[in-house]
Amino acid sequence: QKEVEQNSGPLSVPEGAIASLNCTYSDRGSQSFFWYRQYSGKSPELIMSIYSNGDKEDGRFTAQLNKASQYVSLLIRDSQPSDSATYLCAVNNEYSSASKIIFGSGTRLSIRP
Amino acid sequence: KAGVTQTPRYLIKTRGQQVTLSCSPISGHRSVSWYQQTPGQGLQFLFEYFSETQRNKGNFPGRFSGRQFSNSRSEMNVSTLELGDSALYLCASSLDGLGYNEQFFGPGTRLTVL
Repeated sequence: QKEVEQNSGPLSVPEGAIASLNCTYSDRGSQSFFWYRQYSGKSPELIMSIYSNGDKEDGRFTAQLNKASQYVSLLIRDSQPSDSATYLCAVNNEYSSASKIIFGSGTRLSIRP
Repeated sequence: KAGVTQTPRYLIKTRGQQVTLSCSPISGHRSVSWYQQTPGQGLQFLFEYFSETQRNKGNFPGRFSGRQFSNSRSEMNVSTLELGDSALYLCASSLDGLGYNEQFFGPGTRLTVL
């Protein structure tokens, strides 16, 4: 079982709709959770970080964390063509070291006009 | 505030050669982590440096090494290049490398080994 799992996609969503990206993780002791966006040929860009159960909103983005069910999700409201990218979920199960961060393989999101 | 910078952006080498990549973190960030990204393996952790010391190392052979300087700039070296080393090499910086710190990536160095 992979430590951080994401559906590879592609996930196709119409423009203006809500895109929902999901991620599950295996280590129940995980502490920190991050979402990165990566355009083709570019480096990952941090979108959101979340550390506590519940929702965290930033503009059109909402991260949701449920530690009991071991999943974290990212919602993108009013999806735009510019949101088409690969979204990486990252999980860190060691509070004391960033080097334990584990990345999922990413979900490719395509926003169709 | 300037972001993470990496040089060079592109490199073409042949098997058996060695290569050195450089990374300058965001000002004030003291932790630098290096990752290898390939289509098949995704993002793989190479190592992390903090205060000129390697704190952690991923599962890569000893041909991969690195160092960090007193100004937090970091270099990684790959010796005896193999075809499978072709990848995007990314560095990421964070304030002090604690698990809850956000990491910010540089643009990467794309290495092609022929």
